[in-house]
Amino acid sequence: GESVGLHLPTLSVQEGDNSIINCAYSNSASDYFIWYKQESGKGPQFIIDIRSNMDKRQGQRVTVLLNKTVKHLSLQIAATQPGDSAVYFCAEKPDQAGTALIFGKGTTLSVSS
Amino acid sequence: DGGITQSPKYLFRKEGQNVTLSCEQNLNHDAMYWYRQDPGQGLRLIYYSQIVNDFQKGDIAEGYSVSREKKESFPLTVTSAQKNPTAFYLCASSPLAGGTGANVLTFGAGSRLTVL
Repeated sequence: GESVGLHLPTLSVQEGDNSIINCAYSNSASDYFIWYKQESGKGPQFIIDIRSNMDKRQGQRVTVLLNKTVKHLSLQIAATQPGDSAVYFCAEKPDQAGTALIFGKGTTLSVSS
Repeated sequence: DGGITQSPKYLFRKEGQNVTLSCEQNLNHDAMYWYRQDPGQGLRLIYYSQIVNDFQKGDIAEGYSVSREKKESFPLTVTSAQKNPTAFYLCASSPLAGGTGANVLTFGAGSRLTVL
């Protein structure tokens, strides 16, 4: 089954609201996590990453939280804008040499004005 | 500008035909990857390569083949053995493991393959 998954396939918010996108992972040996944003018809773009020795990391309008106890990852987007509408994927990197990122199924974020 | 170029963007194939998707990067990245994306699904790993002339199977390698003759290029061939090839194919690259940003994948714009 999926090593990385997201709690909700879709999320609808109003412009200006804060958005929280959740992700559960199952591999406790994973030591690195990334959030990607994918707009329609395009390839995923890097948003923010976090290592397993951290529990929070902030970027510009985005914050990633990592709870290793329950193997949960979340992406918070402040003051969500219409341009944030996209599919968001979390990905994990198992702590094994030579392994590739494992992606979840994605959450579609829709922002209405 | 540095980046990854995938071609063609759209490709149609008749059943029984092999097709090759091109992926070229000028980022000087050592590792390259191919993922498949189906509607409502995450990205599933087909093949990846960490060094020239070497590559490893991912989770869904059956019906696909790759080559890595040059650092910049990692073409994917979808063979007639792939029973359900209609999908969006994404190529990515990353620096060699252990270096700065080693795990961050840079993606191309994708190639959409449709079997008629």
